[in-house]
Amino acid sequence: QQQVKQSPQSLIVQKGGISIINCAYENTAFDYFPWYQQFPGKGPALLIAIRPDVSEKKEGRFTISFNKSAKQFSLHIMDSQPGDSATYFCAASGPPSGNQGGKLIFGQGTELSVKP
Amino acid sequence: KAGVTQTPRYLIKTRGQQVTLSCSPISGHRSVSWYQQTPGQGLQFLFEYFSETQRNKGNFPGRFSGRQFSNSRSEMNVSTLELGDSALYLCASRAATALYGYTFGSGTRLTVV
Repeated sequence: QQQVKQSPQSLIVQKGGISIINCAYENTAFDYFPWYQQFPGKGPALLIAIRPDVSEKKEGRFTISFNKSAKQFSLHIMDSQPGDSATYFCAASGPPSGNQGGKLIFGQGTELSVKP
Repeated sequence: KAGVTQTPRYLIKTRGQQVTLSCSPISGHRSVSWYQQTPGQGLQFLFEYFSETQRNKGNFPGRFSGRQFSNSRSEMNVSTLELGDSALYLCASRAATALYGYTFGSGTRLTVV
C-alpha cells in the first residue's frame, strides 16, 4: 500500500515531441502528488504538483493528469527540449497530520532523453 | 534566499566507522526530512523532524539516527557503516505554513569502502 509504481524506466523522445510518464498508487490516504526533476549531481527539484480534487493541472509545458478512480496520475511534457533530459520522479504524500504525513513516497524514476 | 545546504558534499568512510551529515534548511523552514537515494532502491524516506521532534520515521535500522537543533539545522548519523550504506543522502525542508512543497538540497554522496 505504500508503493508508487512508475513507468517507463527510460524514455527517448525527439525534440518537439510529447513525453509521457505514468504513475500508479495504492494508498487512498495520499492527497498530494508531486513530480520532481533531477539532474546529475543535484537534488530533486519540484516541477509541478496536484491535489486529488482536480483532474488536471498545467504549468507551462508541463501538465499533470490525475485519475482518482483509477489511482493513477501522469506527467506530460509538451514540446520536449534537450534541456528537459533528466530523471523524473513521481511521488505521493498524505496529510501532514496523518501517519503518512511528512514523507514522500517516490516512484522508481524515469530517465528521459530528448534527442535534438 | 539561500536554498537547502548540505555538508559535506562528498564523504568516503571505512566499513564499521560512523558518519555525521549536516543540513541547513531554508531560512524560516522548521520541517526537515532526510532521504536515501540509491540506484537499486531509489529514493527512500529516513525521517522527518519538526521543531526538534522526530515526527515520522522510515523503515531503516536503528544505526540511522537524526536530530534537529533549535535553529532548525539538522544532522543525521549512521553508525557501524556497511557497504550498502553507500548512497546519496538528501535533506529537504518545508515551511510550517506550507502543507507540502519540500525543497531538496544537493545531497551528500557517501561512499563506504
